[in-house]
Amino acid sequence: GEDVEQSLFLSVREGDSSVINCTYTDSSSTYLYWYKQEPGAGLQLLTYIFSNMDMKQDQRLTVLLNKKDKHLSLRIADTQTGDSAIYFCAEASMNTGFQKLVFGTGTRLLVSP
Amino acid sequence: DTGVSQDPRHKITKRGQNVTFRCDPISEHNRLYWYRQTLGQGPEFLTYFQNEAQLEKSRLLSDRFSAERPKGSFSTLEIQRTEQGDSAMYLCASSSVGRSRTDTQYFGPGTRLTVL
Repeated sequence: GEDVEQSLFLSVREGDSSVINCTYTDSSSTYLYWYKQEPGAGLQLLTYIFSNMDMKQDQRLTVLLNKKDKHLSLRIADTQTGDSAIYFCAEASMNTGFQKLVFGTGTRLLVSP
Repeated sequence: DTGVSQDPRHKITKRGQNVTFRCDPISEHNRLYWYRQTLGQGPEFLTYFQNEAQLEKSRLLSDRFSAERPKGSFSTLEIQRTEQGDSAMYLCASSSVGRSRTDTQYFGPGTRLTVL
């Protein structure tokens, strides 16, 4: 079955890089997503990567995937106070037809000025 | 394209009452999902529709919960005889199954339910 784990909290200073980590367990082909959630709001899709890729870059965001260790990371360059939010890693595996997202518990990112 | 919308945004009810939530997906999206998110946790899958057919239901969806998507557009989620444990954020998402296999899900703002 699928299980997704994340560290709970990360604190950085404005302008620094942030790295949020995630581990997953499903060994089948899978899509891995990063979503952002601000207080009281829904989830905003940030980016995604397929399990046959090692890296994906999108403006300030870089996703790295280590398939051997089933480890995913999201790097945010030049972190801003507006990046403060909860970041969720989610997995959609071939076993479920890529239909059901399994989420981690989320990492709360706090960016201080 | 205005995104996924949900109504109401907040609902406070007394234990034992019935509540109904509505989700309007992104137009032309043929898949619609419901998730539940409790405080401090990630969202958990409840059910999904492809067009008007409900194709999968989680074990989290007890007999008190029912979801419909009668015309393959908007969906409703009803909870009967609410319990305090039903207090959560109910999130709706939609996606379009096409050539791409990503089936990327876009979420609405959620309905926060508080059961007193």
